[in-house]
Amino acid sequence: KAGVTQTPRYLIKTRGQQVTLSCSPISGHRSVSWYQQTPGQGLQFLFEYFSETQRNKGNFPGRFSGRQFSNSRSEMNVSTLELGDSALYLCASSFGGRGTYNEQFFGPGTRLTVL
Amino acid sequence: GNSVTQMEGPVTLSEEAFLTINCTYTATGYPSLFWYVQYPGEGLQLLLKATKADDKGSNKGFEATYRKETTSFHLEKGSVQVSDSAVYFCALSAPKLSFGAGTTVTVRA
Repeated sequence: KAGVTQTPRYLIKTRGQQVTLSCSPISGHRSVSWYQQTPGQGLQFLFEYFSETQRNKGNFPGRFSGRQFSNSRSEMNVSTLELGDSALYLCASSFGGRGTYNEQFFGPGTRLTVL
Repeated sequence: GNSVTQMEGPVTLSEEAFLTINCTYTATGYPSLFWYVQYPGEGLQLLLKATKADDKGSNKGFEATYRKETTSFHLEKGSVQVSDSAVYFCALSAPKLSFGAGTTVTVRA
């Protein structure tokens, strides 16, 4: 069974640009969550999508947005990039059940550098 | 709200030493608890999990027991190897995942 894939793996952008990251979940998984990982803030939850609807959202500005397609693939967009957006962006997929047991499987991440 | 606190690193050990990483949590209800590991340049991998009180999760020689009375989920391994060098994250699911800050472990030959 293929794991979670993220593209691209590395990205370099300049301030003010926008960027789109892609995530393909494990087959059969309907939930996709996005996280930002930085040395200073650690792992922070961005949002979760389930069946094409945003189900949970973290405390990030509106410049961060996402969407999910009918095949469960998800994209994350960051507009008007700032230097502080440089981070490893991780995507995780799960079956998406509403119980407390919610095992998530992570992709390798996209390393975004903003210059 | 839900939160996870884990011991700060970095932790440096010699091969075959005993490893313990403390993790405590705050949550309403009965969360599931996880340890994830991140090797250099990679994403997170689930190391072990426990879904209810007194459950013991184990994998690759690592163990952690869900202690509701002390709200803890400490990670232990009796004899570490160089290949165990990584960043370890404690997390809880209720159901959204909340992570601890991570503990960097370096094992020297």
